[in-house]
Amino acid sequence: DADVTQTPRNRITKTGKRIMLECSQTKGHDRMYWYRQDPGLGLRLIYYSFDVKDINKGEISDGYSVSRQAQAKFSLSLESAIPNQTALYFCATSPGHSSQETQYFGPGTRLLVL
Amino acid sequence: EDQVTQSPEALRLQEGESSSLNCSYTVSGLRGLFWYRQDPGKGPEFLFTLYSAGEEKEKERLKATLTKKESFLHITAPKPEDSATYLCAVQAAGTYKYIFGTGTRLKVLA
Repeated sequence: DADVTQTPRNRITKTGKRIMLECSQTKGHDRMYWYRQDPGLGLRLIYYSFDVKDINKGEISDGYSVSRQAQAKFSLSLESAIPNQTALYFCATSPGHSSQETQYFGPGTRLLVL
Repeated sequence: EDQVTQSPEALRLQEGESSSLNCSYTVSGLRGLFWYRQDPGKGPEFLFTLYSAGEEKEKERLKATLTKKESFLHITAPKPEDSATYLCAVQAAGTYKYIFGTGTRLKVLA
């Protein structure tokens, strides 16, 4: 089974709708991240969380919110989806117990906002 | 401003034709440099972490090296299954954020 899972894998929604993307991990890592990937722009950080009570904004957090329900679960919400939020979304985890850390990524959610 | 630039954007090789991918970075102190492989429609897959200039790591046909300004991913005698996008990322000292390059799309022809 995959260590980092994301649901749904694909989603089509309409402008103005609220949607939630979910991420679960079995790696036992404390730190979790949400990124979006757009062609030509690379991966950009939306939010990150170092533990259940520690959530931080990334470089492009406007229009997004997150919830860390447990060490293993980190959800991303689009409060009112807009077409320029069409992208590939990735969840990632890292151990959180050393100063130099590797991130491990989920399989991604492809989101289309009409 | 912290920045990562990868070159070339795209590379086509014949099977067995060795080459190198470049990752240039500017950060105010390097905590770590990471290489990932990404297949179409999938999440990035971790390859290597490098921490200090002069460090080298190898895995099968891949070898990553690091200087104070750039990293190279050397691919020796590539095979078609090495075709993918290779991503480079850095983590700057004093921050837990990661800065990603836009990747090099590698195509290895049989």
